[in-house]
Amino acid sequence: GQQVMQIPQYQHVQEGEDFTTYCNSSTTLSNIQWYKQRPGGHPVFLIQLVKSGEVKKQKRLTFQFGEAKKNSSLHITATQTTDVGTYFCAGAGAGSYQLTFGKGTKLSVIP
Amino acid sequence: KAGVTQTPRYLIKTRGQQVTLSCSPISGHRSVSWYQQTPGQGLQFLFEYFSETQRNKGNFPGRFSGRQFSNSRSEMNVSTLELGDSALYLCASSLEGGLGSYEQYFGPGTRLTVT
Repeated sequence: GQQVMQIPQYQHVQEGEDFTTYCNSSTTLSNIQWYKQRPGGHPVFLIQLVKSGEVKKQKRLTFQFGEAKKNSSLHITATQTTDVGTYFCAGAGAGSYQLTFGKGTKLSVIP
Repeated sequence: KAGVTQTPRYLIKTRGQQVTLSCSPISGHRSVSWYQQTPGQGLQFLFEYFSETQRNKGNFPGRFSGRQFSNSRSEMNVSTLELGDSALYLCASSLEGGLGSYEQYFGPGTRLTVT
């Protein structure tokens, strides 16, 4: 079945440093979504990418979808303590009603 | 608009018992998905319902079942509970859920502990 790998599993950064998490799928995806889960909370939708090579920005967050639609990345510029949480990517294969989640990258920001 | 609600929020059960969890999606959302979240395995897909029909099922044993009602509310049931079923069970709703193309709105989850 479809597998979505996400690295790194953990990342500790000093406040103000940049952060990147990577997502790779074993199969071509129809789209990829990113979610953020704060400690003790539930996943919250951030963005969806659909087109090959697509790049989207949300303030300090930059999301990319690979040309082959099998990989994606989330980059945060100048992290803040409010960025703390676990970031998940989730992909859907062609013709699938199911989102497969990566295991997430847990981000800690040291003030 | 009210968000996704899940009841109960916390539950403690004994091995061998069964449990039913409930999820009320956002008004107008017709697709409901269920996930199991554990520290080791992350978010694992259980099943997805749309208009009372199960469209997709994850790799979980038959002890895990679900259903959706005509008002889109959904329940999941776990029979013969095992210690390994201890987890946070998350319900997510989306407008259509067609081909995984709609963002999912998650509820706060039900924390199930099996002793």
